[in-house]
Amino acid sequence: AQSVAQPEDQVNVAEGNPLTVKCTYSVSGNPYLFWYVQYPNRGLQFLLKYITGDNLVKGSYGFEAEFNKSQTSFHLKKPSALVSDSALYFCAVRLTGKLIFGQGTTLQVKP
Amino acid sequence: GAGVSQSPRYKVTKRGQDVALRCDPISGHVSLYWYRQALGQGPEFLTYFNYEAQQDKSGLPNDRFSAERPEGSISTLTIQRTEQRDSAMYRCASSLIIEGDIFYEQYFGPGTRLTVT
Repeated sequence: AQSVAQPEDQVNVAEGNPLTVKCTYSVSGNPYLFWYVQYPNRGLQFLLKYITGDNLVKGSYGFEAEFNKSQTSFHLKKPSALVSDSALYFCAVRLTGKLIFGQGTTLQVKP
Repeated sequence: GAGVSQSPRYKVTKRGQDVALRCDPISGHVSLYWYRQALGQGPEFLTYFNYEAQQDKSGLPNDRFSAERPEGSISTLTIQRTEQRDSAMYRCASSLIIEGDIFYEQYFGPGTRLTVT
């Protein structure tokens, strides 16, 4: 079955440090992968996507993600975290039109 | 420009009542999607449309749930005879239609918080 897993419920990082939010996927065929962010009491905002091409994808707010086919991973990264990055992050994979989401990872950036 | 809008933002209803949730997609977006999100969980697919045609309704939990998009723009998700387990955030998203290998991201609305008492 097509699925996405986010193995960490929460990630804690100090402001200014690099951050990584993990995502692994299981799909047949070429994966189309996405990251979304959800701030409290707000809708989901698109961050970035991987369709094809370069394995390192750059997105909004300084975030990037690395697609690794051999490890079936699509980890979200940022070189220097901000307190304002604290939010709920979702990885998703496209399956014939619809998106299949992971369970989400709460990122807490402390000053 | 204007994003995806949903109404109402909050809906409290009594068990057994019918509810209708509305979604107004971004202008020019051909595809429209409905998701349901439980607290602390990722959105779960319900159904989606290209233009007015319902392409996939495999995520609708049972026959109490239905959706329509009669003119290819605004969509309504209807839940009949609501039950407490229907309480959740219902989110709508829209995107440009897929063209070849170009897959456009989905833009989400603020959601409708449904509470069934």
